[in-house]
Amino acid sequence: DGGITQSPKYLFRKEGQNVTLSCEQNLNHDAMYWYRQDPGQGLRLIYYSQIVNDFQKGDIAEGYSVSREKKESFPLTVTSAQKNPTAFYLCASTDDRGTGSYNEQFFGPGTRLTVL
Amino acid sequence: AQSVTQPDIHITVSEGASLELRCNYSYGATPYLFWYVQSPGQGLQLLLKYFSGDTLVQGIKGFEAEFKRSQSSFNLRKPSVHWSDAAEYFCAGDLSGGYNKLIFGAGTRLAVHP
Repeated sequence: DGGITQSPKYLFRKEGQNVTLSCEQNLNHDAMYWYRQDPGQGLRLIYYSQIVNDFQKGDIAEGYSVSREKKESFPLTVTSAQKNPTAFYLCASTDDRGTGSYNEQFFGPGTRLTVL
Repeated sequence: AQSVTQPDIHITVSEGASLELRCNYSYGATPYLFWYVQSPGQGLQLLLKYFSGDTLVQGIKGFEAEFKRSQSSFNLRKPSVHWSDAAEYFCAGDLSGGYNKLIFGAGTRLAVHP
């Protein structure tokens, strides 16, 4: 079955450590996204990538970094510069490069990151 | 500023009752609009979407939504709620002119009483 996988489901980090969240999709989608979800705030866009080897900052990119070396993979690194990293992180993808036609975003199951 | 607003943080309904969840948007043109549902600790599942054309759209699980340009609204409805509909519901809009950058509302948590 095609879909988006995120690992791990739960992640604990000590303050001052960087941590990388995995996102893999086998939907052959061009575009991938990372969102952060906090209670009462909906989802906020961290980074997105519309094509391999290219990505753009979203609304809350500070303290995060990404790479897009392969079409199916879009890992997110939460750096020690992120002041409040405890949150639920969701990865999404879509078969759309922003050309004006539109396809829905499909979401992974999420990773809950807790900073101890 | 471009935004998507869900005025109701929590809603409680009885099983079998009708449901309407509100969503308003602020955008200069017609946006692409979506409703997603999220069960606790899970990802989001698309219920329905509006791109253009017929303003009443049907989705999965018996949900429908109506786009009203005059009211800048895209409210989600279901005629008879089931206990399994208890979840959090998010309205989202692509307010970037089709470049697939979604803005989400804060969500409405639905509780269903037996």
